[in-house]
Order: sequence, then structure tokens, then C-alpha cells
Amino acid sequence: GAGVSQSPSNKVTEKGKDVELRCDPISGHTALYWYRQSLGQGLEFLIYFQGNSAPDKSGLPSDRFSAERTGGSVSTLTIQRTQQEDSAVYLCASSLMLAGGGETQYFGPGTRLLVL
Amino acid sequence: DQQVKQNSPSLSVQEGRISILNCDYTNSMFDYFLWYKKYPAEGPTFLISISSIKDKNEDGRFTVFLNKSAKHLSLHIVPSQPGDSAVYFCAASVVDSSYKLIFGSGTRLLVRP
Repeated sequence: GAGVSQSPSNKVTEKGKDVELRCDPISGHTALYWYRQSLGQGLEFLIYFQGNSAPDKSGLPSDRFSAERTGGSVSTLTIQRTQQEDSAVYLCASSLMLAGGGETQYFGPGTRLLVL
Repeated sequence: DQQVKQNSPSLSVQEGRISILNCDYTNSMFDYFLWYKKYPAEGPTFLISISSIKDKNEDGRFTVFLNKSAKHLSLHIVPSQPGDSAVYFCAASVVDSSYKLIFGSGTRLLVRP
């Protein structure tokens, strides 16, 4: 009964480098979400995956950000040519998807990204 | 444009007293509201939720009140305990697109022993 796990827990990179952040959702959860939390801010929605449906990418801040979800389970968030303003905690969450909506999202511990 | 606002960045309360955390929203389409609690270096954990068809939901020491006309909700913790010290986030969604939670900026609660 493991919860949502994310790796790495911390990542320091140089401006201009690419980074990959990984999320393992709770087994059986069909929905997966990425958020980010910048310093002093709330959580900002980035992208949502549900089953085989096309992901909702409406929250991605630029085309440097992309995400994949392979086999309906593990997801990778990729940030290309990182900028200092990308520094934030990147949080992944998963949930069941039941009729009627309102399902609880369960969050991982996050990846703290620092771009120097 | 912040659709969910938590105007108090911090709150300090004596152990045993009531903690009241407030949240305001601007989008009248929101019909589902949640509170999450976050400890340092951990992800947010779900605390309590309320649907717009209700004005109150209670779970143990935690009660959420919703005032739709004022677009305001609040979380009451009674009695407050030192272990309740954390950052509390209010979140809202539209049920037919419930995957997209809109979060407030959080309120840091400190419960003093």
C-alpha cells in the first residue's frame, strides 16, 4: 500500500540543462496530476492524465515543459533548457476516477528543483 | 488572477483554542472545495471537503463551513493541538472537471503549547 512516490527528492541543475522528474502513482489510480509550488505560492496545476485519454496540458507554462505517462502508470515531467524561474517544488498526485467527480487527490512528497 | 485566495499567510493559536482558517473564491462555478494540510518536506494530505450543496461538513475536530453567497469558506479546528501546526491549503474545483484543483497560497498555522 505505498503512496505516491517521486524521484529525485532534490535536484540542482545549471541554467540551460534539461531535467526529468519521475512520479510513481498509487497502484490502481487511473488519474495522475502534476503541480508545482513556487516559493510562497499555492500549488499551480500543470498537467493531468486520465487513462488513455489525451492529457490536459493547459497548465504547462511553456513549450519547454512536457510530460509523459507510460503504460498508464509512471509519469515523467521533462523541463528543457531550464531557467531560474523554474525553481520550485514539483508535486505529483494521483486519484481514482469515479462518476460524479470530487475524488481525493493523493500527493507525493515532491521534487525540489533548484536551477542555478 | 487568483481564483482562490487565502489572505492570511500565518496564524498563531494557543493549544486547546479554536483555529479558524479562511478562504475566499471568485469563480461562482466552483462547486467542490477541499482543505489540504502540508508538513515541511512532505506532499499535501487531504483533510476535509465540502460540496456546494452543503454549508457544513464535520469530521472530528475539523469542520468546514461554506457560505456560497459570500464565496467564502472556513476551516475550524477545535481544540487545536500542537501537531496541527502545518500549512493549510484551500482548493476548489468544478465537479464536471474535478481533476483541476485551484489552490490558494496557504496559511501557516502555529499551535503554541
